[in-house]
This record gives sequence, structure tokens and C-alpha cells, in this order.
Amino acid sequence: EDKVVQSPLSLVVHEGDTVTLNCSYEVTNFRSLLWYKQEKKAPTFLFMLTSSGIEKKSGRLSSILDKKELFSILNITATQTGDSAIYLCALKETSGSRLTFGEGTQLTVNP
Amino acid sequence: NAGVTQTPKFQVLKTGQSMTLQCAQDMNHNSMYWYRQDPGMGLRLIYYSASEGTTDKGEVPNGYNVSRLNKREFSLRLESAAPSQTSVYFCASGVGALNSPLHFGNGTRLTVT
Repeated sequence: EDKVVQSPLSLVVHEGDTVTLNCSYEVTNFRSLLWYKQEKKAPTFLFMLTSSGIEKKSGRLSSILDKKELFSILNITATQTGDSAIYLCALKETSGSRLTFGEGTQLTVNP
Repeated sequence: NAGVTQTPKFQVLKTGQSMTLQCAQDMNHNSMYWYRQDPGMGLRLIYYSASEGTTDKGEVPNGYNVSRLNKREFSLRLESAAPSQTSVYFCASGVGALNSPLHFGNGTRLTVT
């Protein structure tokens, strides 16, 4: 069974700090790794990573995948209170579009 | 754009009662999914439907049934609710292509007493 482990499970920082969220996994055969942000309701899509070593960037958020070491990181620079959310990492299987999620990291950004 | 619509938003059931959670998407997606989310457990797949007319078990299917009524609608039924089914339920849909994200509904918060 696919296993996705996120760390830390929770993190509290001050506005302006930079944070790095980790996602490690135990399978080597998967199609892509996805990051979602979940505030009060539905998870919203952030990034999809398919190739190792290629950084995806969107504003203050960036993410990269390391297929050799079996992990991905999500970086958030100059954090804002609006970044407070649960960040979910998920693996997409090689066939079909099922996702296996990690537990999530609860990020709290204090003013 | 409505996207993925779930009803109801909240529900309280007594142990042994039954209910159906409704989900509809207007994006012409092939695949639809039901997840449950519990503290410290992430999102766990209950059932999914890769295309109209097919359904398959996910990680935690026990106590649930599903129906893919048509391409738009995918319902989740609890025949005899148990307190262990207290959770937030999310419906999601996807194109079904290998490189495409899922789109989620806003969730149904279910409490079974």
C-alpha cells in the first residue's frame, strides 16, 4: 500500500518567516505528486510535480520533487496570515487518477 | 462555475439511521471520488468511479455503498450509521487523465451519535 508521510504535522510561525514543509513516500512507481492547500473547506490545488529536480513556482510558493530520495518539499517565503491552512501532499498512481494523501501539515502564521 | 457540489453541508444522525450524501459535478469529468477526512488521518479514499457505470472500493469502504447515477452524479450511502463514521466527507472529480488534479467539493460534516 502506498504510504505518504508529511512533516511536521503542525507548525507555528510569525509573519515574514520562511517555512519548508516535507512530504516523503515509500513507493517508487507513481505518476505524479500533488500539493493541496486546505483552509476551511475544500482542498485547493497548488502544484503537480512529475519530474525530479524541476522546481514549480507560484508567487511565494515553490515546490520540488526528488525521486531518488523519495521526497518533496513545499516552500513558502515571506509568510502571511492568509497562508494559515492545512497543506496536503498526495501521490497519484501510475494508472487512473486515484490519490493517496498524507496526513497534512497544519501551518499557523501569527501576525 | 459550480464545480463540485455536495449536499447536505451538515448532518447529524443517530446510530443505525441511514442517509445518502449527494455529489454532482458540472465539469464533464470522467472520474469521481469519495474521501473521508479525520484528524491526524489525512484524506482516505472510500470509493471511486473511474468512469460512468463503474465503481471500485478504496481504502476504507466498509459501511458504505456508492452509486454512479450518471456522468454528473456520484452518491455515497450509509445504510446503518455508526459513531466511527463521524467525519467530514469530500467528493472530488477529475478528468481521469494521468496528469490532472482533482477538484473537491466543500465537504459534508457528518456526526453520528
